[in-house]
Amino acid sequence: QSVLTQPPSVSAAPRQRVTISCSGSNSNIGNYAVNWFQQVPGKVPKLLIYLDDLLPSGIPDRFSGSRSGTSASLAISGLQPEDEADYYCASWDDRLNGVAFGGGTKLTVL
Amino acid sequence: EVELVESGGGLVTPGGSLRLSCGASGFIFSIYTMNWVRQAPGKGLEWVSSIRGSVGSGGNIYYADSARGRFTISRDNSKNSLYLQMNSLRVEDTAVYYCTRDSSGTNPGEFDTWGRGTLVTVSS
Repeated sequence: QSVLTQPPSVSAAPRQRVTISCSGSNSNIGNYAVNWFQQVPGKVPKLLIYLDDLLPSGIPDRFSGSRSGTSASLAISGLQPEDEADYYCASWDDRLNGVAFGGGTKLTVL
Repeated sequence: EVELVESGGGLVTPGGSLRLSCGASGFIFSIYTMNWVRQAPGKGLEWVSSIRGSVGSGGNIYYADSARGRFTISRDNSKNSLYLQMNSLRVEDTAVYYCTRDSSGTNPGEFDTWGRGTLVTVSS
């Protein structure tokens, strides 16, 4: 049971927009920034969003992030087939005294 | 180029021990918080342990509940290396173990660099 809750799966057609939610509590998202990771099948995870809404170099601006209260969201617009991957949110958690990951969301591009 | 390379994984019987290593290159290793993150077969990511760099709270160590008391994280800044000593291994410790760099000293979990991982299999 993950401290951060994500939907197991989402799907959308190419060129559409999809959002992935990450729900937490005041011990994590309510007080700490959220980072998002993308893991393409068979590959190493990659940092996608950091500090809630910032994009690392090389990440297209089709990806965006937001945080409000104890929840965060990842949005992907203009979906492309190569976006099909697992997406994870992560944040510091005071109760764990460590980094909490969400359970992951599998994105299927129909 | 920033790079992390893990080694030391393998097959071990329950109750056994293993020591993972992670060699770092392309950046000033000593100042960064370094971490171990694992992924069991077909499962999600799980943070295992972190050790801070020499800036700020240098040397502070953190463990997931699943690792505390059995695993020991350490680093040798003179060798640009991170380690994870794993004792009393259990079947449920079977996973790919990734070495990661935390790019921010103030935003834990900002893992901007990942190694390719090393597979640990605990089985009789």
